[in-house]
Amino acid sequence: DTAVSQTPKYLVTQMGNDKSIKCEQNLGHDTMYWYKQDSKKFLKIMFSYNNKELIINETVPNRFSPKSPDKAHLNLHINSLELGDSAVYFCASSQESRGSAEAFFGQGTRLTVV
Amino acid sequence: AQSVTQLGSHVSVSEGALVLLRCNYSSSVPPYLFWYVQYPNQGLQLLLKYTSAATLVKGINGFEAEFKKSETSFHLTKPSAHMSDAAEYFCAVTSSGTYKYIFGTGTRLKVLA
Repeated sequence: DTAVSQTPKYLVTQMGNDKSIKCEQNLGHDTMYWYKQDSKKFLKIMFSYNNKELIINETVPNRFSPKSPDKAHLNLHINSLELGDSAVYFCASSQESRGSAEAFFGQGTRLTVV
Repeated sequence: AQSVTQLGSHVSVSEGALVLLRCNYSSSVPPYLFWYVQYPNQGLQLLLKYTSAATLVKGINGFEAEFKKSETSFHLTKPSAHMSDAAEYFCAVTSSGTYKYIFGTGTRLKVLA
C-alpha cells in the first residue's frame, strides 16, 4: 500500500503545453510538499501546504499552480511548459504538528519538455 | 534561515570499508536533521533522523549518525560498505514551524568490489 503516490511517473510533452501531476498520501499527514530535483540532483522546495492552506511558495513562476482539494491530495498544474521545467518533481508529506517528523516522498515524476 | 552543506559530491569506498559521508548544518533554532537515500529512478527513503532525543542515532541498513552541536555536524557512517549501498545520499534540516526541509546537494556513494 503506497504511502505517497504520484501520477504519472513519466511525462514527455512539448514546449507550450499544459500538464498536471497528481499526488495522494494515505498517511493522514497534515502537510504536503512539492520538490523539484534538477539534473544535478539538487532538491529544492517549491510549495508546502498545511491542512489545504498554502504556506510556502518558494519563488516559483506563476506558471506553476498547486491545488489541494483536501488534506490527502496535492496536485501540480504547469502552464506553458518550458525546456527549463524538465526535472523530476517529488511530492512529499509529513505531520507538521510533530515538528520532528520526517517527510515521506513519492516515487517522483520525470518531466521532459521537448 | 537554515542550510546544509555536504562535503564531497562523490565518495568511493571499497566493499567492506568504512563509509563516512559528511554533513554540516546551519540553523538559528534547534534543528531536526535527517539522512535520506535515493536509489536510481526512485524517491527518497529515510535512513535516520535526529530529533534531540539522543545524539547518536542508528538507522536502517547499518547506518548511524552523530549529532555534534559544537561542530554543527551530522555525519553519516557505516562500518562496512556493501555493494547495495551505492546510491545518492542527502542530508536535510528542518525545525518546528518552518514547513520545509532544506536539503544538501547530495553525495553519490560508489562502492568498489
